[in-house]
Amino acid sequence: KQEVTQIPAALSVPEGENLVLNCSFTDSAIYNLQWFRQDPGKGLTSLLLIQSSQREQTSGRLNASLDKSSGRSTLYIAASQPGDSATYLCAVGRRGAGSYQLTFGKGTKLSVIP
Amino acid sequence: DGGITQSPKYLFRKEGQNVTLSCEQNLNHDAMYWYRQDPGQGLRLIYYSQIVNDFQKGDIAEGYSVSREKKESFPLTVTSAQKNPTAFYLCASTPRQGAGETQYFGPGTRLLVL
Repeated sequence: KQEVTQIPAALSVPEGENLVLNCSFTDSAIYNLQWFRQDPGKGLTSLLLIQSSQREQTSGRLNASLDKSSGRSTLYIAASQPGDSATYLCAVGRRGAGSYQLTFGKGTKLSVIP
Repeated sequence: DGGITQSPKYLFRKEGQNVTLSCEQNLNHDAMYWYRQDPGQGLRLIYYSQIVNDFQKGDIAEGYSVSREKKESFPLTVTSAQKNPTAFYLCASTPRQGAGETQYFGPGTRLLVL
């Protein structure tokens, strides 16, 4: 059974700092990996999707990397802003019998201090 | 304005009562999903549907039921058999079944037990 772990569980940084969020998974036979953002009491917003054949994806100040063989992904946030404060969730995707499912980590709660 | 709507935002359940959570999407997506989120936890899959009139159990289906009579609607019923229903419920959809695409999420329904 796939297990997804995110470290740290919470992180507080001053505004402007670059930071890295970590995600690890136990089964390397993944289809893809997605990073989401969740604001308090809200639904999830997709940030980046990395296919299993890719090494990284970039969107603005966000860069996600994937090392499938070692079961790791990182989300790099450059020049952090208070508006980046949220919980970031990593989810590993698997395909089988025409279906696609995600297994989620518990998230990293990020606070960016002005 | 395309998206996923969930209603109500808050729902209160009495002992022994069945309650139904609504999820509607106007994105013309084939696949729809229901997740449960407990405090400090990742999302866990309850049920998913890849096409109309078809649905599959996820990891924690016991005490829940769903229907998919229309492409745009995927209601979730929390039955009296679900002994610990207090949680945040999230509905999601993807354009095509089994394609491993980004999941789009609704704003969620918070279910509380009286």
